[in-house]
Amino acid sequence: DIQMTQSPSSLSASVGDRVTITCRASQGITNYLAWFQQKPGKAPKSLIYAASSLQSGVSSKFSGSGSGTDFTLTISSLQPEDFATYYCQQYNSYPFTFGGGTKVEIK
Amino acid sequence: EVQLVESGGDLVQPGGSLRLSCAASGFTFSDHYMDWVRQAPGKGLEWVGRIRNKANSYTTEYAASVKGRFTVSRDDSKNSLFLQMNSLKTEDTAVYYCARSMITVTPYSFDYWGQGTLVTVSS
Repeated sequence: DIQMTQSPSSLSASVGDRVTITCRASQGITNYLAWFQQKPGKAPKSLIYAASSLQSGVSSKFSGSGSGTDFTLTISSLQPEDFATYYCQQYNSYPFTFGGGTKVEIK
Repeated sequence: EVQLVESGGDLVQPGGSLRLSCAASGFTFSDHYMDWVRQAPGKGLEWVGRIRNKANSYTTEYAASVKGRFTVSRDDSKNSLFLQMNSLKTEDTAVYYCARSMITVTPYSFDYWGQGTLVTVSS
């Protein structure tokens, strides 16, 4: 199975900060990488697919990059509604696997 | 508007069975692959299984942790997805989400998720 490692596991940031989360795959997954946002008690929300393509209706303050084994999710200017847990997921091969999550908290 | 509504979650004893449903609306259900993803209390997301569409013979894929115990099925005439769970273990306790797979770019990532249904396995 492909292991997905996210870092950091948590971070504290202020409103307006630029935030970057990294995700590393244990083997190459080309660009078959998705990012999801989850708020407490809520279902995940799809943000990005194919490493850098924004899902319909998702704010352009979210951006993704990377290919192969190393990927990043960037939030350009953190807003109160962005405080949540973020997960990466590879869908290059079965079983699909998720990273452990990055909790973004208010500083 | 795309909607996915799960139901069927309950408290069940170890070794028991449960069937979850996911009612879909707002899109052509039969075109899409569909997935189940679960989340144990306080933990991260775990993919459970996928069912492809009729054009791909409704074939399925499973996580090793559930293979042989869980079965994903669908009824396109009723726009419904199912997860039959047998031989349940305490470690299957989780919120179970259904998720729609995109059909625009292969391979297919998820785009929409349901609100989830809670399954508790305990004696």
